[in-house]
Amino acid sequence: AQTVTQSQPEMSVQEAETVTLSCTYDTSENNYYLFWYKQPPSRQMILVIRQEAYKQQNATENRFSVNFQKAAKSFSLKISDSQLGDTAMYFCAFRGQGGSEKLVFGKGTKLTVNP
Amino acid sequence: SAVISQKPSRDICQRGTSLTIQCQVDSQVTMMFWYRQQPGQSLTLIATANQGSEATYESGFVIDKFPISRPNLTFSTLTVSNMSPEDSSIYLCSAGGRVSTEAFFGQGTRLTVV
Repeated sequence: AQTVTQSQPEMSVQEAETVTLSCTYDTSENNYYLFWYKQPPSRQMILVIRQEAYKQQNATENRFSVNFQKAAKSFSLKISDSQLGDTAMYFCAFRGQGGSEKLVFGKGTKLTVNP
Repeated sequence: SAVISQKPSRDICQRGTSLTIQCQVDSQVTMMFWYRQQPGQSLTLIATANQGSEATYESGFVIDKFPISRPNLTFSTLTVSNMSPEDSSIYLCSAGGRVSTEAFFGQGTRLTVV
C-alpha cells in the first residue's frame, strides 16, 4: 500500500519570504500522480499543484513550484513570496495510475505566514 | 473542472441518531469518494461511491455504520448511523472523472455529536 509522509507538522515564514514543505512517499508503481492541496480555515480543499510521475520537469504554478525527485520518492513544495493568504494546512497526496482513483494523503503541515 | 455542493455544512446531533450528508456535482463524474477528517488530522477515505452498485469500503469502515447511495453520476449521499461523540469530524465529498487526474472537493460537513 502507498504511504505519504509529511515530517513537518508546523512551519512558519515571514511574509514575502520563501518556504519549502517536505513530502516523501512510498510506492511500487512506476506511473502515478502527486498533488499538493491547501486547506484554509474554511475547510475547502484547494488544489495547489500536481505532478505526473512520468514527467521529469518540475511543475510550477505562479509562486508555487515543486522539487520532484522520483528516485528518492520525494515531492517538496516551494512557496515563493509568501502571502498572508497562504496560511493554511497543506496536504501532500498520492494517486496511483490504475484501478481506484482514490487519493492517499499525508498528515499535513500547518503553515503560518507572519506579517 | 467540477463544482461540488455539499450539505449540510455543519450540524450538531444527538448520540444515537443518524445524519445524511448530500453531495451534488455540477457535471457527470465517474468517481465519487467520501472522506473523514477527524479534528486536527488528515483525510481518511471511508469509501468509493459506485453508481448503481454497492459502495467499496476501506478497512475499518462498514456499510451498517456508513451507508452510501449513488443513484446517478452526479449525486451521492453518506449517512452516519447511530452516532457517538467519536463520530464528530469533518466529512468531505470528492469527485473526479476517469480522464482527469484532479480530484475536486465539496466544502465539507462539520459534524458534532453530543
